[in-house]
Amino acid sequence: KQEVTQIPAALSVPEGENLVLNCSFTDSAIYNLQWFRQDPGKGLTSLLLIQSSQREQTSGRLNASLDKSSGRSTLYIAASQPGDSATYLCAVRPPSNTGKLIFGQGTTLQVKP
Amino acid sequence: DADVTQTPRNRITKTGKRIMLECSQTKGHDRMYWYRQDPGLGLRLIYYSFDVKDINKGEISDGYSVSRQAQAKFSLSLESAIPNQTALYFCATSDPGTGGYEQYFGPGTRLTVT
Repeated sequence: KQEVTQIPAALSVPEGENLVLNCSFTDSAIYNLQWFRQDPGKGLTSLLLIQSSQREQTSGRLNASLDKSSGRSTLYIAASQPGDSATYLCAVRPPSNTGKLIFGQGTTLQVKP
Repeated sequence: DADVTQTPRNRITKTGKRIMLECSQTKGHDRMYWYRQDPGLGLRLIYYSFDVKDINKGEISDGYSVSRQAQAKFSLSLESAIPNQTALYFCATSDPGTGGYEQYFGPGTRLTVT
């Protein structure tokens, strides 16, 4: 059974710092991996999608990497800002045709001014 | 306008009541999903649909039912609400032809069952 883990559960950094969020999964057979951002009481905003054949994706200050063989993904945030404060979720899509996502518990990030 | 909308955004109901949560999308996607989010448990799949005639149970479908009224509309019903169905409910869509099954989520419905 696929399990997704995100460590740490919470992280607090000063503004301007570069940071890395970690995501690990137990079964390397995945179709893709998606990173989301969730603000308190709000919906999920898709940040980056990495297909199983890709190693990384970039969007602005965000860079996500994927190492299927080790069951790991990282989300790198450059020059963090207070507006980056949110919960970051990673989710993997198994290769079955259901299309469902299996989510980690998330990392809650606080960027202090 | 948002691509995926959910109504209501907040709802308080009593044990035993029937309640319907609605989801609409303008993305033109065939696939739609219902998830619930609970503190400490993350997001879990309730039901999913590949088209109007294709409805499938997810991992926690007991106590729920769904209806796919059109490609753009997917409703979730709680036939007889119970307190442990208190949660944040999300609708999502995806399409294999665009972005490789990237999923797009609605803003969520916060449901409280007293």
